[in-house]
Amino acid sequence: DIQMTQSPSSLSASIGDTVTMTCRASQAIGSYVNWYQQKPGKAPRFLIYATFNLQSGVPSRFSGSGSGTDFTLTISSLQPEDFATYYCQQSYNTPVTFGGGTKVEIK
Amino acid sequence: EMQLVESGGDLVQPGGSLRLSCAASGFTFSNYWMHWVRQAPGKGLVWVSHINSDGATTNYPDYVKGRFTISRDNAKNTLYLQMNSLRAEDTAVYYCAREPGGSDALDIWGQGTMVTVSS
Repeated sequence: DIQMTQSPSSLSASIGDTVTMTCRASQAIGSYVNWYQQKPGKAPRFLIYATFNLQSGVPSRFSGSGSGTDFTLTISSLQPEDFATYYCQQSYNTPVTFGGGTKVEIK
Repeated sequence: EMQLVESGGDLVQPGGSLRLSCAASGFTFSNYWMHWVRQAPGKGLVWVSHINSDGATTNYPDYVKGRFTISRDNAKNTLYLQMNSLRAEDTAVYYCAREPGGSDALDIWGQGTMVTVSS
């Protein structure tokens, strides 16, 4: 199975900051990475597919990049509604696997 | 509005069984692959199973293979997860999710249903 390792596990930031989190795959997975946002007690929300493509309705302050084994999610100009946990997921092969999450907290 | 609504979660004893349901609305259910994903309390997301659009192809990770069965009724727009031989480590919120276009990305999620395995 492909392991997905996210870092950091948590970070503190202020409104208006730019934050970047990373996701590393245990083997090369091309561009087959997706990102999700989850708030406490809620279902995950689909943000980005195939590394950098924004899902409809997702604000343009979210962006994704990377290829091979290393991927990043960047949030520019952090907004109050962005404080949440973010998960990466590989869709290169089965079983689908998720990273452990990065929690974005208010500084 | 495209929507998934899970039901069937409950408290069950170790070794017991439970069937979860996921009712779809607002889209053509029979066109999509569907998944189950779970999340133990305070933990991350873990994939449980997927099924193709006509129900002929299913897949499971080793930790549920042989115990869980995914199925669907396209006439009823409903996805199911039959869970047998339940263990304490199966305790989690179970989400159903839609996969667009064979991508293994999950674009629509239900609100989740809680399964607690405990004596």
